Amino acid sequence: EIVLTQSPGTLSLSPGDRTILSCRASQSVSNNYLAWYQQRPGQAPRLLIYRASSRATGIPDRFSGSGSGTDFTLTISRLEPEDFAVYYCQQYSTSRGTFGQGTKVEIK
Amino acid sequence: EVQLVESGGGLEQPGGSLRLSCAASGFTFSDYSMNWVRQAPGKGLEWVSYISSGGTAIFYADSVKGRFTISRDNAKNSLYLQLNSLRDEDTAVYYCAKGRTSTSTCMDVWGQGTTVTVSS
Repeated sequence: EIVLTQSPGTLSLSPGDRTILSCRASQSVSNNYLAWYQQRPGQAPRLLIYRASSRATGIPDRFSGSGSGTDFTLTISRLEPEDFAVYYCQQYSTSRGTFGQGTKVEIK
Repeated sequence: EVQLVESGGGLEQPGGSLRLSCAASGFTFSDYSMNWVRQAPGKGLEWVSYISSGGTAIFYADSVKGRFTISRDNAKNSLYLQLNSLRDEDTAVYYCAKGRTSTSTCMDVWGQGTTVTVSS
């Protein structure tokens, strides 16, 4: 089973800041089948990025994904108030779509 | 509008059973894989189960294998999860989520979830 480790656990930032979230896999994620989700408090998760770098429908271009193999990042270029949330990476290259433990982006 | 609506959650005793349902609308249900994902109180996301568009491929997380059963009825645009031999650690919000393709566990549409509480 591929284990995903996200870092840092929590980020304290201000609106307008740029931030980079990390997701490291215990083994290579084939085809770069790595997704990022956002979960706001009390809401269901929302798909942001799939296949490491493709934005899902309706996702603003301030969100971008990159990486390959075992190291992936999600960059938010300028934080908006609605971006303060928990972010999860997920690999879907195997039959079991495992998630990372999440990174919380909170207001400083 | 693409929509998923879960139902069937509730309070159940350890060892008991529940059946969750997910009603899909706004897309061709039979063209897409479906998944169940859960979230224990204050915890992260845990993928639970997957079923391919035609129902021929099914997978489970080790934590639920042998106790939970996923199924779908494409004629009724519905997804199900049968939960048996429930344990305290099964307490969670259960989300139904649509796969991006007919075979994917990458999920592009999510329901609002149904809450399962296992307690005596």
